[in-house]
Amino acid sequence: EVQLVQSGAEVKKPGATVKISCKVSAYTFTDYYIHWVQQAPGKGLEWMGLVDPEDDETMYAEKFQGRVTITADTSTDTAYMEVSSLRSEDTAVYYCATEPKRGALDHWGQGTLVTVSS
Amino acid sequence: QSALTQPASVSGSPGQSITISCTGTSSDVGNYNLVSWYQHHPGKAPKLMIYEVNKRPSGVSDRFSGSKSGNTASLTISGLQAEDEADYHCCSYAGTTTLRVVFGGGTKLTVL
Repeated sequence: EVQLVQSGAEVKKPGATVKISCKVSAYTFTDYYIHWVQQAPGKGLEWMGLVDPEDDETMYAEKFQGRVTITADTSTDTAYMEVSSLRSEDTAVYYCATEPKRGALDHWGQGTLVTVSS
Repeated sequence: QSALTQPASVSGSPGQSITISCTGTSSDVGNYNLVSWYQHHPGKAPKLMIYEVNKRPSGVSDRFSGSKSGNTASLTISGLQAEDEADYHCCSYAGTTTLRVVFGGGTKLTVL
């Protein structure tokens, strides 16, 4: 069974950096893009960006470009998302997900809560 | 590019049918037959219910169906059950390097 297991909750101060991991299993890591999606409290899902583990190509939503870095480590089948210069508005649950068919995110991680507070 | 537009909430009684709309633009929903729908229970991971407008992944009940007309997609749930109560998010492929997919704002389904 395909699984995406994310790292645990984080509490950070404004201006800090957070790095979340997403370890996949039961499929070939390089076969599918890994997406990252944000859900702020009381809000809908928002696409942040993705990485193609096969060639490390990345795409970012305009809103997150420059402050978010998504990477993939094929030696450990793990994707990472780093958010820098954290501010209170970054308080959210972050999900990773795979895209085996264009436009469809079929397997999701359990989510990682990031709280930004002074 | 703005998020897709969904109603904030819908409700129905057990056994009834409900439909959730999802309106985009000619750049996303209207341009691709690549709309997907996700069921999201609080504290859980979203679950893919519909992809490519009207296809169901293995294991998803046939009570869930999808359709699209122009720039608007719809999710219909028939024979409502208590466990269907959740948030539902639509999503469309957008196909640009700064927006691979775009989500709707989510719809809270209440089973009365």
